[in-house]
Amino acid sequence: EAQLVESGGGLVQPGGSLRLSCAASELTFSDDWMHWVRQTPGKGLVWVSRISGDGSSITYADSVKGRFTISRDNAKNTLYLQMDSLRAEDTAIYYCARVRGPYYYPMDVWGQGTTVTVSS
Amino acid sequence: DIQMTQSPSSLSASIGDRVTITCRASQSISSYLNWYQQKPGRAPNLLIYAASNLQSGVPSRFSGSGSGTDFTLTIQSLQPEDFATYYCQESYNLHAFGPGTKVDIK
Repeated sequence: EAQLVESGGGLVQPGGSLRLSCAASELTFSDDWMHWVRQTPGKGLVWVSRISGDGSSITYADSVKGRFTISRDNAKNTLYLQMDSLRAEDTAIYYCARVRGPYYYPMDVWGQGTTVTVSS
Repeated sequence: DIQMTQSPSSLSASIGDRVTITCRASQSISSYLNWYQQKPGRAPNLLIYAASNLQSGVPSRFSGSGSGTDFTLTIQSLQPEDFATYYCQESYNLHAFGPGTKVDIK
């Protein structure tokens, strides 16, 4: 069964940077679209970014465009989210999620989440 | 961008009740609509995909319907483990989620 494990969260000051990682346990990682979704404490889910299996197609939510960078290393079965110019409103639990199939398929495997806190 | 709304935002129900949650998209999304269940402190779990398809391993008391802009999630006979928050999500464009519907015990 596929598993995703996020890491890299923590406390960072406004304007700072953080890089999140998502390690996948399966051998077909390069076939999958991957997403980042975040959830503000006590609030709902917000889609952040997606990347195709080969990394050639990338999309961001307007709220993070120009500040966050999604990438992947298929040799390491790992997804990344580089977060720069962080703001208080970026404070959230960040989940990575897999889509097996075209991008419009559902997110069928999720990581446990990693918490990012942006505060001085 | 597509906006998703859900109603109600919360509901109280008893074990064995039939529960219906509705989701509306701001424009047609065909059948690119998914439902997730989330329990406190846990990641979301896929229940229904493509509006009406039950994800493997999900109990058959869960069902989904709809197309275009209006969708419904139904739980036929509410069980103790079903008390959670439910989110709809469009996968037609930028994967927007609805605000969620919290189902708690009456």
